[in-house]
Amino acid sequence: GQGVEQPDNLMSVEGTFARVNCTYSTSGFNGLSWYQQREGHAPVFLSYVVLDGLKDSGHFSTFLSRSNGYSYLLLTELQIKDSASYLCAVCMPNYNVLYFGSGTKLTVEP
Amino acid sequence: NSKVIQTPRYLVKGQGQKAKMRCIPEKGHPVVFWYQQNKNNEFKFLINFQNQEVLQQIDMTEKRFSAECPSNSPCSLEIQSSEAGDSALYLCASSLRTGGRQNTLYFGAGTRLSVL
Repeated sequence: GQGVEQPDNLMSVEGTFARVNCTYSTSGFNGLSWYQQREGHAPVFLSYVVLDGLKDSGHFSTFLSRSNGYSYLLLTELQIKDSASYLCAVCMPNYNVLYFGSGTKLTVEP
Repeated sequence: NSKVIQTPRYLVKGQGQKAKMRCIPEKGHPVVFWYQQNKNNEFKFLINFQNQEVLQQIDMTEKRFSAECPSNSPCSLEIQSSEAGDSALYLCASSLRTGGRQNTLYFGAGTRLSVL
């Protein structure tokens, strides 16, 4: 729902960085959330952004551009344990329902 | 570890059978959501509640799906007559509020339904 699109896979190297992209086609949303989901586990909240620009939260940073329908999650100083799926979701005004993308599976290699 | 408890973790049913799954939201969270995550990892919002009241649901859930959140009992999602296409991971999530600018969902580990 809401045209949330993410690339299926992303690979990067331990110690470097990875940028997980997300595009969406909806407007008038409250904000955009990022979740991490490990295989066989529940999605876990990472970040929520409302305003345009970069929100630096240390290991995880997020960027939003409402006018371009684009967000990304930036992971720095990657560790092997960062290998997981990363889900982008737009939060709509109707009862704050989140509409998720299908997630990007990040693989961090040694 | 998630504080949202979903049971069972795995559920296997034949086509046409009922499938019922339960969810205990995090303590103090009045809002409950159900999502379906299919084999392609696509998320579909099904229904949400505030306490015992349905807030929003999609058309699919009005036909074969039913859900409730009775007071002092686990929430439940039931498929009256399972179909092969219902095979998916069913995720329950709870949150503190429906309004305001931020809504953080706390998910359970899910019930994986396989319809044979």
